[in-house]
Amino acid sequence: DAKTTQPTSMDCAEGRAANLPCNHSTISGNEYVYWYRQIHSQGPQYIIHGLKNNETNEMASLIITEDRKSSTLILPHATLRDTAVYYCIAQETSGSRLTFGEGTQLTVNP
Amino acid sequence: NAGVTQTPKFQVLKTGQSMTLQCAQDMNHNSMYWYRQDPGMGLRLIYYSASEGTTDKGEVPNGYNVSRLNKREFSLRLESAAPSQTSVYFCASSRYDRGRGSSYGYTFGSGTRLTVV
Repeated sequence: DAKTTQPTSMDCAEGRAANLPCNHSTISGNEYVYWYRQIHSQGPQYIIHGLKNNETNEMASLIITEDRKSSTLILPHATLRDTAVYYCIAQETSGSRLTFGEGTQLTVNP
Repeated sequence: NAGVTQTPKFQVLKTGQSMTLQCAQDMNHNSMYWYRQDPGMGLRLIYYSASEGTTDKGEVPNGYNVSRLNKREFSLRLESAAPSQTSVYFCASSRYDRGRGSSYGYTFGSGTRLTVV
């Protein structure tokens, strides 16, 4: 599974867009990019995943570069409740397990 | 409510004691997982079960055993607890989307906080 690199921490003002970057330069063609978040002491929560096309759902948007070596998770209007550790994971398909790194601590400030 | 249920939520064990952590999901997911999370660190995979009847070791399996009792239930057993096993344990499940060719819908339980003294 490809290694991912994320900044250790980021800050964002409430109501503004939060853009969380992730590098996965060794990603292979059959690996998806998954994003999860973990709010303090809770179990991780699925946000979004994609292969090569940009994806959007009710929580966030995922922008994957054309060469697939990096991606950005966008929370369009961050709220205080979005403060969490965000994990970017590159993983093969078909019943494979998720491998978590250290993630990015996002703090949304009033 | 649909989801992953873990029991117990909290447990204190003495070194050498044994116990079983229970996990059940009601989403008809075929894959289930056990992770541990130490303070300030990411989750590490202990064991997983890709489908009913199969189990495989993850990143940190030593000191643990698992049983996939049926499609719904996946238990984690500590035969002889050690202080190094003090951690928060998360169970998760997922299903495979044939149309997209990917696993998705990973759902985590709320965790079991285990302290071994």
